[in-house]
Amino acid sequence: EDQVTQSPEALRLQEGESSSLNCSYTVSGLRGLFWYRQDPGKGPEFLFTLYSAGEEKEKERLKATLTKKESFLHITAPKPEDSATYLCAVLRQGGKLIFGQGTELSVKP
Amino acid sequence: EPEVTQTPSHQVTQMGQEVILRCVPISNHLYFYWYRQILGQKVEFLVSFYNNEISEKSEIFDDQFSVERPDGSNFTLKIRSTKLEDSAMYFCASRGVGTEAFFGQGTRLTVV
Repeated sequence: EDQVTQSPEALRLQEGESSSLNCSYTVSGLRGLFWYRQDPGKGPEFLFTLYSAGEEKEKERLKATLTKKESFLHITAPKPEDSATYLCAVLRQGGKLIFGQGTELSVKP
Repeated sequence: EPEVTQTPSHQVTQMGQEVILRCVPISNHLYFYWYRQILGQKVEFLVSFYNNEISEKSEIFDDQFSVERPDGSNFTLKIRSTKLEDSAMYFCASRGVGTEAFFGQGTRLTVV
């Protein structure tokens, strides 16, 4: 059965304290893996797409990496404005996009 | 920048009433989705739509739900007889071939 699991469920960091979020997946026919940011009461905002193992993408303080079984979202020197829920989603063959439960990140000044 | 637009942003309805949630996907996209997010829970897949028909649906998407693309631009989700447990944020998304999915800002549905 297709499954996407994110860990940890919640993460509290001090400003400047780097860390990583994990997304592990089991899916038939992976077509791509996406990271989104979601603020309270808002829709998911697209961050990155990763298509193949070994691929990396970067945007400001965020860097996403992909292996055959998991993806990491690395956050370097986070700021309070990085506080949000980060969602991982996998696109499988047939077009279905499956979300993990998210990691709620809180960055304190 | 193109975006997915959803209306209304908030809908309050009586239990048993029908509601229609509306979405305008990005114009050259081919795949359309509806997702649901109950407060504090994960984003749940409801249905995907491609080439004017449902390509996949979840067990949540029962006979009370239907989707339409009535005029080539709008994409609607209808709930025929709402229940209290249908209260949630409903997100529409669209995707081009081989690209990421973009989401709207959601419709908050409150069933009373």
